[in-house]
Amino acid sequence: DAGVIQSPRHEVTEMGQEVTLRCKPISGHDYLFWYRQTMMRGLELLIYFNNNVPIDDSGMPEDRFSAKMPNASFSTLKIQPSEPRDSAVYFCASSTPGLAGGGETQYFGPGTRLLVL
Amino acid sequence: KQEVTQIPAALSVPEGENLVLNCSFTDSAIYNLQWFRQDPGKGLTSLLLIQSSQREQTSGRLNASLDKSSGRSTLYIAASQPGDSATYLCAVGFNKFYFGSGTKLNVKP
Repeated sequence: DAGVIQSPRHEVTEMGQEVTLRCKPISGHDYLFWYRQTMMRGLELLIYFNNNVPIDDSGMPEDRFSAKMPNASFSTLKIQPSEPRDSAVYFCASSTPGLAGGGETQYFGPGTRLLVL
Repeated sequence: KQEVTQIPAALSVPEGENLVLNCSFTDSAIYNLQWFRQDPGKGLTSLLLIQSSQREQTSGRLNASLDKSSGRSTLYIAASQPGDSATYLCAVGFNKFYFGSGTKLNVKP
């Protein structure tokens, strides 16, 4: 398996522009997670899906952020409009539910490094 | 909200030394705990997953333990090597994981 695939790997944009980050989870994984990593705040969970349904979006910072999972093999994280403080590395991860339903190992993608000028 | 703390923030050791990384969490009602490794500019790689009914897991030179009653986990690395240099993060939760800020490890040749 190719692992979790994210695109683009790097994105530079200007404040006010729309940004769309993409993720393809590992085939057969029921859970998909979006994280953001910054020096100041570390790694934060933004939202996660189970079987394409958003389960917890309490980490989404503002209404400017939205995430969708139209099918089991694709998810997007959109920022509109983008701001300089959104600059961070955004990771996508996927996992299976595990025997107890508490989550198995999470497999992370390589991340998208976003810079908003 | 679960708070996860990792001490020390950075650690430098000579090659061959055994070492321990620490992780503490505030809510003992956790389900799973994972240890990850992150290399500079890269994503996270899972090292060990300890489910709530377990007390430890081992993989090669790595051993992770979990003490829910005290809210602590340790990652033991035996016979450290320069290739072990990376940032190590622990995460606790049930599907929704809370991450510590990591311990940056440097193993000197």
